[in-house]
Amino acid sequence: EVQLVQSGADLKKPGESLKISCKGSGYSFTSYWIGWVRQMPGKGLEWMGIIYPADSDTRYSPSVQGQVTISADKAISTAYLQWSSLKASDTAIYYCARQYGSSIRGYYMDVWGKGTTVTVSS
Amino acid sequence: QSALTQPRSVSGSPGQSVTISCTGTSSDVGGYNYVSWYQQHPDKAPKLMIYDVSKWPSGVPDRFSGSKSGNTASLTISGLQAEDEADYYCCSYAGSQILVFGGGTKLTVL
Repeated sequence: EVQLVQSGADLKKPGESLKISCKGSGYSFTSYWIGWVRQMPGKGLEWMGIIYPADSDTRYSPSVQGQVTISADKAISTAYLQWSSLKASDTAIYYCARQYGSSIRGYYMDVWGKGTTVTVSS
Repeated sequence: QSALTQPRSVSGSPGQSVTISCTGTSSDVGGYNYVSWYQQHPDKAPKLMIYDVSKWPSGVPDRFSGSKSGNTASLTISGLQAEDEADYYCCSYAGSQILVFGGGTKLTVL
């Protein structure tokens, strides 16, 4: 079964750093992009960026470029989303998802993790 | 990239059909045949319902169908059922591996 298992909820203070994870299983982790999607409280989905674990090619939405870092460790089939200095406005649920990304296979997210809730509060 | 435009809410009675629109630009919806739709129930992760404008992933009933004309894509749900009540998001490819979501539409089954 194809699965993406995300790390647990986190409560942080403004200015702290954080790295959340997403572990893939049941498929070839290096053959698909892994994307991150943000959902702020009561709001819609926002695509943040993706990484191709085979070569760590990374793309970001202009709205988050420079605010977060996406990385991956293909040896352990895990992708990461990290912040160096959190703000209260980073409070959200963060989903990882497997993303198809080619003109042959299409562009969409077919398998999703259950989400990681990040709360930033003093 | 700006978010795609969806109606905030739609509603329909069981057995009826509803259509949710998704309007973008020639840089996203209008420029590529790569529109996908996602269903999200409260406190659940999104679920892929349609991809490449009108294709079904395995396990999704054919009551859900997608189409596109120009810069506007549409999701039609026929034979509405109570369990279809959820939020629905469209998503389009916008070039360079980047995707953009719509603002979401709340479907109420009356």
